Amino acid sequence: DVKVTQSSRYLVKRTGEKVFLECVQDMDHENMFWYRQDPGLGLRLIYFSYDVKMKEKGDIPEGYSVSREKKERFSLILESASTNQTSMYLCASSLDRGIEAFFGQGTRLTVV
Amino acid sequence: KQEVTQIPAALSVPEGENLVLNCSFTDSAIYNLQWFRQDPGKGLTSLLLIQSSQREQTSGRLNASLDKSSGRSTLYIAASQPGDSATYLCAVLFVDFNKFYFGSGTKLNVKP
Repeated sequence: DVKVTQSSRYLVKRTGEKVFLECVQDMDHENMFWYRQDPGLGLRLIYFSYDVKMKEKGDIPEGYSVSREKKERFSLILESASTNQTSMYLCASSLDRGIEAFFGQGTRLTVV
Repeated sequence: KQEVTQIPAALSVPEGENLVLNCSFTDSAIYNLQWFRQDPGKGLTSLLLIQSSQREQTSGRLNASLDKSSGRSTLYIAASQPGDSATYLCAVLFVDFNKFYFGSGTKLNVKP
């Protein structure tokens, strides 16, 4: 079975902190994605990557950056956390476009 | 802008009923459509993936159909059980866009 693992289930951070959310997949997938999920707004794409060291902005990239130094790992970085970044963050991977996507268990981030 | 709509937003049924969840999308040019299940506070679990060339997919008590020309997909759940209670999301990968568009989900409650 494909496994997408997010490093933390719950995180509490202070305003202004630099926050790293890590995601690792074990199936040699090319594509990796970061979403945030908020009540009433659904899932929104932050960033995605189709290859190592490659990244593309999604719908809401402001305040975020990403890093993909190795194929299996895709990191989401909050440069200076703010309270409006309190959310559920979901990482996903897929072998190729048009192929089934698999999600991690989510990270509930609270910024205080 | 592409849109994916799910109706109803919430559904409550007694155990044993057969039920249908609906997903509609704005453009027939799609790569695929994927149905997910999400339990409270958790990530997304892939249920079924339908490629654009397919009309339906089945897994156990679940059957998903796709009608591209009308921009619709349905998820049929047979003989519902309390364990089916969750939010069901559909996601569409449009040809002209390299990301999934998600519906807002249908929250299902199956009463014992």
